[in-house]
Amino acid sequence: NAGVMQNPRHLVRRRGQEARLRCSPMKGHSHVYWYRQLPEEGLKFMVYLQKENIIDESGMPKERFSAEFPKEGPSILRIQQVVRGDSAAYFCASSPPVGREDPDTQYFGPGTRLTVL
Amino acid sequence: GESVGLHLPTLSVQEGDNSIINCAYSNSASDYFIWYKQESGKGPQFIIDIRSNMDKRQGQRVTVLLNKTVKHLSLQIAATQPGDSAVYFCAENRGADGLTFGKGTHLIIQP
Repeated sequence: NAGVMQNPRHLVRRRGQEARLRCSPMKGHSHVYWYRQLPEEGLKFMVYLQKENIIDESGMPKERFSAEFPKEGPSILRIQQVVRGDSAAYFCASSPPVGREDPDTQYFGPGTRLTVL
Repeated sequence: GESVGLHLPTLSVQEGDNSIINCAYSNSASDYFIWYKQESGKGPQFIIDIRSNMDKRQGQRVTVLLNKTVKHLSLQIAATQPGDSAVYFCAENRGADGLTFGKGTHLIIQP
């Protein structure tokens, strides 16, 4: 059973460009979370999604950032008009639906390291 | 501010000794806690979890203790090995707003 997959692993963008980060949850998992991690810091929650539905986006900046988890395909975190402050590692996690395993346990992907020049 | 925090940023232990990493939380309503291990350049790896209706849980070489009275969580690693070198985070699940992470403790294993 493959774990959470993220791509690309490394992404370099110039200021003003768009960044698209992809996340495929573990097989059978229906909940996806996105986190951001700055160097030497813990992860900060951004958004929680289920298929075709944003459950909680309280940690996501109001502008330039958006996330989706379509019926088919991976979850996408999109950052428009990137700035240097967006440089960070972005991690995706998934958790199983209620009734399977522990629905609160989140399993993380390897992350995408975004560098904005 | 952070509701979950760690007492020490770096912990250095001798190989073979036991390690204890501590964590404090402030939200008494939190009911689920997880310890993660993160190696350089990798994502957090689940180690062990505990619910608030328990005060101790054991895994393979690891034990998590929860003291709800003082809102304290600890991770004990027995017979520390070089592969245990990593940053360890405690995380708190308070519901739909995802996990709240502390800043992490860097565990260094000395030969």
